[in-house]
Amino acid sequence: SQTIHQWPATLVQPVGSPLSLECTVEGTSNPNLYWYRQAAGRGLQLLFYSVGIGQISSEVPQNLSASRPQDRQFILSSKKLLLSDSGFYLCAWSVPPTGRSSPLHFGNGTRLTVT
Amino acid sequence: GENVEQHPSTLSVQEGDSAVIKCTYSDSASNYFPWYKQELGKGPQLIIDIRSNVGEKKDQRIAVTLNKTAKHFSLHITETQPEDSAVYFCAASRSDTGRRALTFGSGTRLQVQP
Repeated sequence: SQTIHQWPATLVQPVGSPLSLECTVEGTSNPNLYWYRQAAGRGLQLLFYSVGIGQISSEVPQNLSASRPQDRQFILSSKKLLLSDSGFYLCAWSVPPTGRSSPLHFGNGTRLTVT
Repeated sequence: GENVEQHPSTLSVQEGDSAVIKCTYSDSASNYFPWYKQELGKGPQLIIDIRSNVGEKKDQRIAVTLNKTAKHFSLHITETQPEDSAVYFCAASRSDTGRRALTFGSGTRLQVQP
């Protein structure tokens, strides 16, 4: 069965420090991968998605970047964190497009607090 | 792009009552509508989904209805239990692009009072 791992679970970082959040998927090949951010009490905002290794699409211009160095690894990064980067970051995967839409499967998220 | 609106933002019901959450979407090309349940500190979990070629789908105490003409869909939970308390999100996507990302509603916090 497929599983998704996301770490760390919580992170407190000072303003101006770098960020690296990692997500890996097991049990599937060539998945679509996604990074979402959830602000407190709000919905989920799509940040990046990837349909293959090295292929990253950004949905929202911001202080963050994403990379996919391996088929089942997705990394969210920042060179210098801002206070507004605080939030709950969720990685998700889905099967690659083959016609019908399919659900996204989420990890348990990383709660990032920028101080 | 797609815009999904969800109501109500909070909902409190007595145990055993029914709960209904409603969503509207803007993109007529959207054809897939999942619902997610998110418990505190966890990622959203898929609970039920419906495709545009179906008007209603049921799974035990949970049902979803879709009205393509009006572009709205609803989640119905019957015989609610305290463990149904969580935040529920509706979402929409279309299958004609490789993106396949979901656009989410803003969420409904459901509280089931014992």
